[in-house]
Amino acid sequence: AQSVTQPDIHITVSEGASLELRCNYSYGATPYLFWYVQSPGQGLQLLLKYFSGDTLVQGIKGFEAEFKRSQSSFNLRKPSVHWSDAAEYFCAVVPNTNAGKSTFGDGTTLTVKP
Amino acid sequence: EAQVTQNPRYLITVTGKKLTVTCSQNMNHEYMSWYRQDPGLGLRQIYYSMNVEVTDKGDVPEGYKVSRKEKRNFPLILESPSPNQTSLYFCASSRGQINSPLHFGNGTRLTVT
Repeated sequence: AQSVTQPDIHITVSEGASLELRCNYSYGATPYLFWYVQSPGQGLQLLLKYFSGDTLVQGIKGFEAEFKRSQSSFNLRKPSVHWSDAAEYFCAVVPNTNAGKSTFGDGTTLTVKP
Repeated sequence: EAQVTQNPRYLITVTGKKLTVTCSQNMNHEYMSWYRQDPGLGLRQIYYSMNVEVTDKGDVPEGYKVSRKEKRNFPLILESPSPNQTSLYFCASSRGQINSPLHFGNGTRLTVT
């Protein structure tokens, strides 16, 4: 079975600073990878996804993520954080053998300091 | 507007009293799924459905039932709720392909006393 690890439970960055949220997965092959964001009181919204091709993928709100097969990682980055980016971020994997099963990491809460 | 609608948003009930949380989507999506979110545990999949009349267990199905009689609806049923089912529940839908992103409802906060 696949698993997802987000090592950082909580991250605080200053507005305007760069951001990197870590995601590591465990799966026998390359899964389909997603990053979602959850604002307070809301459901999750897709930021970006990866399933093949260019290992650097661009998403909404200025986010990007890089897939590194050798490290089983799919880290999320943003060059300059805005106060509105404060939220909880989830990495998710879907195995390439079962489109129905999705596994989420425990989430990383981002706080943005003014 | 394309959306996934869950009802109710908040529910407080007592142990053993059957309840249903409804989920409806207006995007003609094949796939629907239920998750529960608990602090420090992320989202855990309860049940999912690839199409009408097809449902499968997720990672934490115990104590829950689902049905998919129509494409747009996927209710979550707790026949005999217990306090350990106190949680935030999310319904999601997608087109069902392996790279299809999930569209989430706004959640249902359930408290079982």
